[in-house]
Amino acid sequence: AQSVTQLGSHVSVSEGALVLLRCNYSSSVPPYLFWYVQYPNQGLQLLLKYTTGATLVKGINGFEAEFKKSETSFHLTKPSAHMSDAAEYFCAVSDVDSSYKLIFGSGTRLLVRP
Amino acid sequence: DTAVSQTPKYLVTQMGNDKSIKCEQNLGHDTMYWYKQDSKKFLKIMFSYNNKELIINETVPNRFSPKSPDKAHLNLHINSLELGDSAVYFCASSQDLNGELFFGEGSRLTVL
Repeated sequence: AQSVTQLGSHVSVSEGALVLLRCNYSSSVPPYLFWYVQYPNQGLQLLLKYTTGATLVKGINGFEAEFKKSETSFHLTKPSAHMSDAAEYFCAVSDVDSSYKLIFGSGTRLLVRP
Repeated sequence: DTAVSQTPKYLVTQMGNDKSIKCEQNLGHDTMYWYKQDSKKFLKIMFSYNNKELIINETVPNRFSPKSPDKAHLNLHINSLELGDSAVYFCASSQDLNGELFFGEGSRLTVL
C-alpha cells in the first residue's frame, strides 16, 4: 500500500534562506508524486508534479522537487524563502495499482521569519 | 468564475441532524472527489466519481452518501451527524484519474 511521510510538521526559515521540505513515499510501482500548498482558509493548490521523465521538476513560485527513486524521496526546495511562502505544504503519491487514488502526507507548516 | 465551488462554506449544526454540502465544477472535468481534512490537517479521500460513476469509496460510515446528478456536480449528504464528523470537507475535480486535482475552498462543518 502507498504511504507518504513528511518529516517535520513545522519548518521555520528566515526570509531569503533556503527552504527544504522533506517527503518520502512508499509505492510498489512507479509513483506519481505531487506537492500541494494550502494557504489559510483556502483549498489546496498544485505546486508541481512528477509523472515520468526528468526527475527534477520545476513548479510555481520558484519551487522545485527532485524524484530520487533510490531514496524513495521527493523533497521540495526553494533557494530563497519569501514571506508569502508561509503556508501548509502537502506531499502526495498515487499510482496505477491504487487506481490513482491520491494519498497525502500529514503536511508541513512552513513559517518564514522576517 | 470559481473553478470548484462548494456551499456552504461554514456549517454549524447539532448532533443527530442531517446536512448536505454541494459542489460544482465548471472546468469540464470528468472526475470529482470528496476529501476530509481533520483538525490536525490530515487529508483523507472519501469518495471519487468518474463520469457520474462511483469509483473510489473509502472506509467511510454509510451515514455519508455522495450523489452525482451530472459530471459537474458532486454533493455530499451526511445523516445523523456525530461530533467526530467535525472537519473541513474539500471537493476537488480532475480531468482524469491521474491528473492534477483542483480543490474548492472547503466547507467547515462543526457538530455541537
